[in-house]
Amino acid sequence: EAGVTQFPSHSVIEKGQTVTLRCDPISGHDNLYWYRRVMGKEIKFLLHFVKESKQDESGMPNNRFLAERTGGTYSTLKVQPAELEDSGVYFCASSLRDRVTSGANVLTFGAGSRLTVL
Amino acid sequence: KQEVTQIPAALSVPEGENLVLNCSFTDSAIYNLQWFRQDPGKGLTSLLLIQSSQREQTSGRLNASLDKSSGRSTLYIAASQPGDSATYLCAGRGAGSYQLTFGKGTKLSVIP
Repeated sequence: EAGVTQFPSHSVIEKGQTVTLRCDPISGHDNLYWYRRVMGKEIKFLLHFVKESKQDESGMPNNRFLAERTGGTYSTLKVQPAELEDSGVYFCASSLRDRVTSGANVLTFGAGSRLTVL
Repeated sequence: KQEVTQIPAALSVPEGENLVLNCSFTDSAIYNLQWFRQDPGKGLTSLLLIQSSQREQTSGRLNASLDKSSGRSTLYIAASQPGDSATYLCAGRGAGSYQLTFGKGTKLSVIP
């Protein structure tokens, strides 16, 4: 079974430019999450999709960040325009559909996309 | 708001030692707690998941415990090996939420 794939693995851009990160979840996983780790800080939640619907985007830092999951398969996270503080590692994770009130929900994480804004 | 703390930030032990990694959380209304391992340049690998109704989970040389009343979880690694060297992260999921709240991790080095 293929894991969660993220692209690119590393992106270096100038402040003000646009970057789009892509995540391909495990086939059949309805839940897709984006997390971010900035240097020296803990990994933090950004948002959660169930299929193509945004279930929770409370962790998105501001309106420069736009996440989409058209068709409920892969997802993109666009940062426009990028700022210095956006530098960090962006992780995508996916899991099978479950109900919060029952069952476990083991997440499979991708290797992350490292973003460096100069 | 849930906060997760991991102490120590780094740990170095000789091969063969048993060791314990600590994780504390502030909100006892936790749905489950997961321990992950991260190798350099790699993603997070889920090691153990403990539901709020459970006290511990075991997988091979790993044993994780959960004490909601004290807000603590521990990951016990028996007979450590150099291949266990990695960063270990704990993350709590709140009741009624899909969000994981992570600690900063403990970087473990097992010296041959």
